[in-house]
Amino acid sequence: QKEVEQNSGPLSVPEGAIASLNCTYSDRGSQSFFWYRQYSGKSPELIMSIYSNGDKEDGRFTAQLNKASQYVSLLIRDSQPSDSATYLCAVSMDSNYQLIWGAGTKLIIKP
Amino acid sequence: DTGVSQDPRHKITKRGQNVTFRCDPISEHNRLYWYRQTLGQGPEFLTYFQNEAQLEKSRLLSDRFSAERPKGSFSTLEIQRTEQGDSAMYLCASSSPRTVSTDTQYFGPGTRLTVL
Repeated sequence: QKEVEQNSGPLSVPEGAIASLNCTYSDRGSQSFFWYRQYSGKSPELIMSIYSNGDKEDGRFTAQLNKASQYVSLLIRDSQPSDSATYLCAVSMDSNYQLIWGAGTKLIIKP
Repeated sequence: DTGVSQDPRHKITKRGQNVTFRCDPISEHNRLYWYRQTLGQGPEFLTYFQNEAQLEKSRLLSDRFSAERPKGSFSTLEIQRTEQGDSAMYLCASSSPRTVSTDTQYFGPGTRLTVL
């Protein structure tokens, strides 16, 4: 059973601080990793994709991948109330269309 | 057209009725996916098309569920004889990968189904 695990939260972070979201996955063959943001009642919105070990930065967002530890994280710097949402981690294998999803972490940014 | 569109956005139906949802992918995206999402869970994969070919349908929840993409453009998802347990958000996504490992999926707004 291929699994993606996330802490369901809620994770509460003060405005302006760094929010750290974590995700572990069970399949060592996984090659592609995605973070999606989902507001209540809305559909998932792509935040970041990462394919290689290390860090990838895009504005206030940094994705970190460690394939040896089967761990991917998302850091949000200078957190804003508008960042309050559920963050979904999704993983896929190379040559495989199918995304395996975590259940998401609810993030709350407190003003 | 700048994104995936879905119609209707909301559907309320009575148990036992049939419902059909439509998805229009991003122009020229050759892959189209259907997911179901219930509260507090990540999306659950249902089926997937590459152009008009349905390449994976074993994850459809039962034989009451079927999907088509007749001309490789828009797709429909039909649920026959709906049950209360079918109440969920039905999501469509599309992608156009340069390589399989960069298959980034973009989601439509979803169709919220309520079965009474």
